[in-house]
Amino acid sequence: NAGVMQNPRHLVRRRGQEARLRCSPMKGHSHVYWYRQLPEEGLKFMVYLQKENIIDESGMPKERFSAEFPKEGPSILRIQQVVRGDSAAYFCASSPSSTGLPDTQYFGPGTRLTVL
Amino acid sequence: DQQVKQNSPSLSVQEGRISILNCDYTNSMFDYFLWYKKYPAEGPTFLISISSIKDKNEDGRFTVFLNKSAKHLSLHIVPSQPGDSAVYFCAASVGDNYGQNFVFGPGTRLSVLP
Repeated sequence: NAGVMQNPRHLVRRRGQEARLRCSPMKGHSHVYWYRQLPEEGLKFMVYLQKENIIDESGMPKERFSAEFPKEGPSILRIQQVVRGDSAAYFCASSPSSTGLPDTQYFGPGTRLTVL
Repeated sequence: DQQVKQNSPSLSVQEGRISILNCDYTNSMFDYFLWYKKYPAEGPTFLISISSIKDKNEDGRFTVFLNKSAKHLSLHIVPSQPGDSAVYFCAASVGDNYGQNFVFGPGTRLSVLP
């Protein structure tokens, strides 16, 4: 039973390029969350998605960042025209369909983005 | 404005002794709390959770205590083992937001010395 998978694990981009981070949730999970961890800081919520729907994007920067979770395939976090300040670890988490009870989120290993 | 605070960036404990990690929160609407453990170069791993209807939850060597009036929770690890050395994050969420938008603290680095 595979856990949450993220790829690539490490991504290096030059300023102005695009970064695409992929996340495949655990089997049976239909909720995906993206978090960003800057050096020496905790995880900051970015966006919460269900299949084909963005439920909460209150943590997403207004420009250059977008996320999707298509009907088929992984969730994608896309960062356009990257800047040095985007360098961080980006974690994806998934949880089962909500049953009205608190759902634990299970995290992937993260993608470490370095912008040169 | 940090809604979830972990005021100790690091903690060192001798193997076999108790580790106590603390977490304070400011948002009285939070009613579900979790602890995650994180090793370097890995994603956070869920450890234990507690809802606000309880004041204690125990799972093996790990116990979480919740003091709602003080807006404080703590994680106790007894006995501590070298493999427990990691960064521990406290997280919280709001009742009608189960499973969504967890707010994380900055983490406490625990070192268990042999």
